[in-house]
Amino acid sequence: DADVTQTPRNRITKTGKRIMLECSQTKGHDRMYWYRQDPGLGLQLIYYSFDVKDINKGEISDGYSVSRQAQAKFSLSLESAIPNQTALYFCATSDPGTGTTGELFFGEGSRLTVL
Amino acid sequence: AQSVTQLGSHVSVSEGALVLLRCNYSSSVPPYLFWYVQYPNQGLQLLLKYTSAATLVKGINDFEAEFKKSETSFHLTKPSAHMSDAAEYFCAVSSNQAGTALIFGKGTTLSVSS
Repeated sequence: DADVTQTPRNRITKTGKRIMLECSQTKGHDRMYWYRQDPGLGLQLIYYSFDVKDINKGEISDGYSVSRQAQAKFSLSLESAIPNQTALYFCATSDPGTGTTGELFFGEGSRLTVL
Repeated sequence: AQSVTQLGSHVSVSEGALVLLRCNYSSSVPPYLFWYVQYPNQGLQLLLKYTSAATLVKGINDFEAEFKKSETSFHLTKPSAHMSDAAEYFCAVSSNQAGTALIFGKGTTLSVSS
């Protein structure tokens, strides 16, 4: 089983619908992240959490919200999906015990299409 | 604020040729720098990282990168390209400052022809 698991892997929805993407990890890491990948734009940070009580906005948080339900779970919600939120979404984790904040461990991605 | 700029969205090389992928960074504090690789239909995986130790960093699959503070650069190289190196490569920056998350560049797609 993957260390960082994202569900669903693929989702097609309609404009205005509420969508939740879920991420769970078995790495025991405190830090979790949600990124969005668009062709030609690389990865953009949406939200990140350094522990259960800590939530931070990233570069592009508008239109998104998150919930850190437990150390191992971090979900991303789109309250009212719009077509320009069509993208590939990645969850990632990191361990501050490595002495750096840099090495991320990624899930396999959730492809969201908003019609 | 931190940022990275990857020069060239697409790079094409022949098998056996030198690979050079360019990355310049901007940071008001000493940076940590990273290269990640993404193979088709997969997530990202770490190639190598610079965290203020040796300026020449060696990674997996014979890739290496050199941190040059005077040029604010962290270019990725490989002496001899292999077909399996075809992928998208991302440069990223963070720091040792509390609360810093990783910021990625826009990526460079490497194509390798036989």
